Amino acid sequence: QVRLVESGGGVVQPGRSLRLSCAASGFTFSSYGMHWVRQAPGKGLEWVSIISSDGTNKYYVDSVKGRFTISRDNSKNTLYLQMNSLRAEDTAVYYCGKDRPGEPDYWGQGTLVTVSS
Amino acid sequence: QSALTQPPSASGSPGQSVTISCTGTSSDVGGYNYVSWYQQHPGKAPKLMIYEVSKRPSGVPDRFSGSKSGNTASLTVSGLQAEDEADYYCSSYAGSNNFPYVFGTGTKVTVL
Repeated sequence: QVRLVESGGGVVQPGRSLRLSCAASGFTFSSYGMHWVRQAPGKGLEWVSIISSDGTNKYYVDSVKGRFTISRDNSKNTLYLQMNSLRAEDTAVYYCGKDRPGEPDYWGQGTLVTVSS
Repeated sequence: QSALTQPPSASGSPGQSVTISCTGTSSDVGGYNYVSWYQQHPGKAPKLMIYEVSKRPSGVPDRFSGSKSGNTASLTVSGLQAEDEADYYCSSYAGSNNFPYVFGTGTKVTVL
């Protein structure tokens, strides 16, 4: 069965960096695009970034462009999100999702990122 | 890119039906048959309930159905059950000019 496990969240000061990981199993990771979606406390879902199956195509929502970098290691079945210059408004639960393709059909349990001084 | 518009809340009694709307534009909902719906219980990850406007993933009860007319998509939950109480989000493909996907604002469904 498909399993996605996020890690790397925590409390970080504004302006600092954090790298999230998403370990995938139960499917052929290298064949599917992957998504990062976040949810601020008490708020709705917001797409953050998408990466194609081979890592060549990447998309970012405007609010994270130039600060966040999505990547993947198909040999390790792992998705990453490098987050730099973090802001208070980046505080959220970050979910990774497997592309169906077309939209995510499976999600991890999420990892909480709190940006606070 | 603006979020798709959903009503903040909807409710119904057990056994009744509830319909949630999701309004976008011709650049997203109206332009593509790639509308999805997610269910999210408190503290849990979203779950895909409908994809490509009206298709159900394996394991999703047929009480859940989707449709679209113009720039508005809809999710109908028939025969409401207590476990259907959750937040529901629509999403749509929005082309590849900027960011390819957009979520709706979310609807809290309450089973009375």
